[in-house]
Amino acid sequence: EIVLTQSPGTLSLSPGERATLSCRATQSVSSSYLAWYQQKPGQAPRLLIYGASTRATGIPDRFSGSGSGTDFTLIISRLEPEDFAVYYCQQYGSSPLTFGGGTKVEIK
Amino acid sequence: QVQLQESGPGLVKPSETLSLTCTVSGYSISSGYYWGWIRQPPGKGLEWIATIYHSGSTYYNPSLKSRVTMSVDTSKNQFSLKLSSVTAADTAVYYCATVRSTLYFDNWGQGTLVTVSS
Repeated sequence: EIVLTQSPGTLSLSPGERATLSCRATQSVSSSYLAWYQQKPGQAPRLLIYGASTRATGIPDRFSGSGSGTDFTLIISRLEPEDFAVYYCQQYGSSPLTFGGGTKVEIK
Repeated sequence: QVQLQESGPGLVKPSETLSLTCTVSGYSISSGYYWGWIRQPPGKGLEWIATIYHSGSTYYNPSLKSRVTMSVDTSKNQFSLKLSSVTAADTAVYYCATVRSTLYFDNWGQGTLVTVSS
């Protein structure tokens, strides 16, 4: 099973700042089959990025994903008020599908 | 836009079977797509439970495989989840979702909280 470790656990930033979130896998994620989701309190997760770097439909271009192998990054270039949430990565390159523990981006 | 809605009992007794249904609108299940269940214990992270293809081929998380059954009812445009022998550890918000063929989740239901308690 591929274990995904997200860091930091919490990121305290101000609107307009840049957020850099990390997702590290215990084994190489095949074909860069890595997705990122955003979850706000009381809501279902929303797909942001798949294939490590492809934005899902309707996702603003301030969200970008990169990485391969075992190290992946989600960058939010300029935080908007609606971006403060918890972010999860998920690998779908091998079974079982697994999620990271999440990074909370909070307002500083 | 595909829409999904979970339904089922909000309270299940320990050792009993949890049964949930996901009703799909805006798309015919028999047309394709994979369909999935994911859960999230209160205040915790996400755990994949199971995925099914419209033809009925299923993929289960090995950690739950002995207790999980997932099925599709194309006549009702629904798919379902059964989790047997539940304990308090199965208390969670259960989400249904559409699953792309490469197995990421692109549309999610709003989720339903299931509490296991006597």
